[in-house]
Amino acid sequence: QVQVVESGGGVVQPGRSLTLSCAGSGFTFSTYGIHWVRQAPGKGLEWVGAAWHDASKELYGDSVKGRFTISRDNSKNTVFLQMNSLRAEDTAVYYCARDVWDATTVTYFDYWGQGTLVTVSS
Amino acid sequence: SSDLTQDPAVSAALGQTVRITCQGDSLRTYYASWYQQKPGQAPILVIYGKNKRPSGIPDRFSGSNSGNTASLTITGTQAEDEGDYYCNSRDSSSDRWVFGGGTKLTVL
Repeated sequence: QVQVVESGGGVVQPGRSLTLSCAGSGFTFSTYGIHWVRQAPGKGLEWVGAAWHDASKELYGDSVKGRFTISRDNSKNTVFLQMNSLRAEDTAVYYCARDVWDATTVTYFDYWGQGTLVTVSS
Repeated sequence: SSDLTQDPAVSAALGQTVRITCQGDSLRTYYASWYQQKPGQAPILVIYGKNKRPSGIPDRFSGSNSGNTASLTITGTQAEDEGDYYCNSRDSSSDRWVFGGGTKLTVL
């Protein structure tokens, strides 16, 4: 069955770095975009960024642009979220999700992981 | 603007119909997708495209679109429908994705 599973969360000090992983299984990983979405405690969902299926493009939300980098290794069915210069406001559960886009006007996230908690605190 | 606007909270009596709306310029270009989230759980997709439901989503969930507004309707609301609902779309000007602020549904 289709699964995406996040790992790598934990407690990190402000200003430090952390890398999350998202491993996919049960589908042809290299044909789907993968997105990162986060949720701060008690808050709503925030789109963080995305990696195109073939690693040809990445996009980022305004709050993380320049600090976070998304990469993927399709040979390992894994997408990475490298987070640098972490701030207290980056504290959140980070989800990865599989993207379906019909190349026109329909786009949605059909499978989500259970999330991994990142806590930025001294 | 890339923002999607949702009412923070709605309530519905058991068995009634409830509509949750999402407004934003991006909805003039891209369809909204809708996600249900219960406490401590990951979001799940309930509606996408032109009123499509993933396998396993009850047919009491439906979606509609008009201009800059997308709506999620639950016909015959059940107790298990209580939770937070988020809309999402892609912004045609920035190419990025954006979520609405979420609507908390309480079933009375």
